[in-house]
Amino acid sequence: QVHLVESGGGVVQPGGSLRLSCEASGFRFSGFGMHWVRQAPGKGLEWVAFVSHDGTNEDYADSVKGRFAISRDNSENTVYLQMNSLGTDDSALYFCAKGEVVLSSPFDVWGQGTTVTVSS
Amino acid sequence: DIVMTQSPDSLAVSLGERATINCKSSQSVLHTYTNKNFLVWYQQKPGQPPRMLIYWASTRESGVPDRFSGSGSGTDFTLTISSLQAEDVAVYYCQQYYTSPITFGQGTRLEIK
Repeated sequence: QVHLVESGGGVVQPGGSLRLSCEASGFRFSGFGMHWVRQAPGKGLEWVAFVSHDGTNEDYADSVKGRFAISRDNSENTVYLQMNSLGTDDSALYFCAKGEVVLSSPFDVWGQGTTVTVSS
Repeated sequence: DIVMTQSPDSLAVSLGERATINCKSSQSVLHTYTNKNFLVWYQQKPGQPPRMLIYWASTRESGVPDRFSGSGSGTDFTLTISSLQAEDVAVYYCQQYYTSPITFGQGTRLEIK
């Protein structure tokens, strides 16, 4: 059974940092690209970042470029999202999702998400 | 960026009736070399993550009931539920994965009439 479990969410002050984790199981993690997608309360889905299967390629939404960094540890079957300079607009439920080797692929498995709240 | 626009924003359909959701992209998502449309449909029920229903615009994901179908090419796409069931109440999203940034439609809320 393929599973993705996110963790690391919480409440942080504006300007602060947070690191999200997503642990994968049930598939050959090192063979697939991974994404982060977020959903603000009551809103739609917004793609955030992608990391290739081997960690050598990354891509970001303009809204987070320069502030967020995606990475992965294939020995730990985990993908990370380091979030810096957080603003209130970053408050959302953050999902990790499984893609394919390349960015241009659908997301066939999603985690349950971890909530990030940016508030003073 | 490719803008994805869904219509309608919300839809109420009687049980057993057909539901149709449209998705239009601001530029073509058809990859001419592979002749594939880089378009996926997701279903999101309250309190749950999205679930992939249809990919490559018309390929049904394993385990998805055959009352769900996708059609269209280029810039215009449709998700059809042939006979609405109570468990189909959800928000439906289209997404293009043709190019970065990956973009989603705003979502269509489907309810029972």
